[in-house]
Amino acid sequence: EVQLVQSGAEVKKPGESLKISCKASGYSFTSYWIGWVRQVPGKGLEWMGFVYPGDSDTRYSPSFQGQVTISADKSITTAYLQWSSLKASDTAMYYCARLPPAGDHLDLWGQGTLVTVSS
Amino acid sequence: QSALTQPASVSGSPGQSITISCTATSSDVGGFDYVSWYQQQPGKAPKLMIYEVSNRPSGVSNRFSGSKSGNTASLTISGLQADDEADYYCSSYTNYNFRFGGGTRLTVL
Repeated sequence: EVQLVQSGAEVKKPGESLKISCKASGYSFTSYWIGWVRQVPGKGLEWMGFVYPGDSDTRYSPSFQGQVTISADKSITTAYLQWSSLKASDTAMYYCARLPPAGDHLDLWGQGTLVTVSS
Repeated sequence: QSALTQPASVSGSPGQSITISCTATSSDVGGFDYVSWYQQQPGKAPKLMIYEVSNRPSGVSNRFSGSKSGNTASLTISGLQADDEADYYCSSYTNYNFRFGGGTRLTVL
């Protein structure tokens, strides 16, 4: 089955680091970009950036450049989103999603990972 | 503020048709050949419904259709069903960057 399965919900304190994951299966992982989308509770979707697992090329939305790090490990078909120092404003649902080759849309989504940052 | 403008809400009765608009600012029109639409039902991840303005992925009902005129794209849902109640987001893609509209809540009366 073609799917993206994300890691479970996290509760962290401000200033802590965090790395969440997105495990891909059922397709050629190195042939598709994997992106991350943020959704603050009750709000809309925000594009964060994506990684091409084939060569680890990474592109960020200007809004998130320098705030997060996106990476991928093709040996275990997993993409990551990480923070070095969380803030309360990072509290949100985070989705990974797949961009087809030469594509311009997100055709497969993970189930989401809820990150709560609270002191 | 999103550069793609959608109405906050629309509603319709079962069996009716509704249309959700998505209007781009002049800076986003260039990427408007690559408009996609996503459905997000309560508590679920978004789901691709339309890509490249008017193409439906395999498995998406033909009750969903997309179109574009100038700087406005539209999603039309015909034969409304209770299960269509959800948030709908338009998106454009340019130079490795996605933009999303603010979302439209569809209520099936």
